[in-house]
Amino acid sequence: DGGITQSPKYLFRKEGQNVTLSCEQNLNHDAMYWYRQDPGQGLRLIYYSQIVNDFQKGDIAEGYSVSREKKESFPLTVTSAQKNPTAFYLCASRQGGNQPQHFGDGTRLSIL
Amino acid sequence: QKEVEQNSGPLSVPEGAIASLNCTYSDRVSQSFFWYRQYSGKSPELIMSIYSNGDKEDGRFTAQLNKASQYVSLLIRDSQPSDSATYLCAVKGDRGSTLGRLYFGRGTQLTVWP
Repeated sequence: DGGITQSPKYLFRKEGQNVTLSCEQNLNHDAMYWYRQDPGQGLRLIYYSQIVNDFQKGDIAEGYSVSREKKESFPLTVTSAQKNPTAFYLCASRQGGNQPQHFGDGTRLSIL
Repeated sequence: QKEVEQNSGPLSVPEGAIASLNCTYSDRVSQSFFWYRQYSGKSPELIMSIYSNGDKEDGRFTAQLNKASQYVSLLIRDSQPSDSATYLCAVKGDRGSTLGRLYFGRGTQLTVWP
């Protein structure tokens, strides 16, 4: 089945630790996105990539890093510089043009 | 900063009623508009796309777009308890540095009571 796979579903981070969230899509979509959602809040864009080997900062990029070495994959690293990482992280992809985004099932990150 | 505003709710309607969700946006060059439904604890799922002025119907859902007024709405007819969720309005950026981005409203929480 075509879709967007995020892993793990739940993740715990210790103080001072970097953690990486995985996002893989087999939809052949050009663009991929990472959002953060806090309880009762809307979606905030962290990073996005419209083509392999290129990505742009969103509205809240500080404390996060990404790479886009393959079309199918857009991993997000939450670094120790992100002091309040507890949130629901959503990956999305989009074909381009006027097409909508489609979302993965999300990863819940908590601090130990 | 591109703004997408939704009535914050919560909106509560009885089963079988029409639920009306509204959204306004600030960038008048935007051409693509989307409604997503997000159940508690789940990821958003696309329910409607609309690109032209007027109404677009899909089953019990009707999206309405008025670009002159920079207004997009979603009507849910014959509302069911299973429609209880948060509805997110999204507008695609269509100029310069906004290209490729979707701008989301904060969502309207809908409760349909039996």
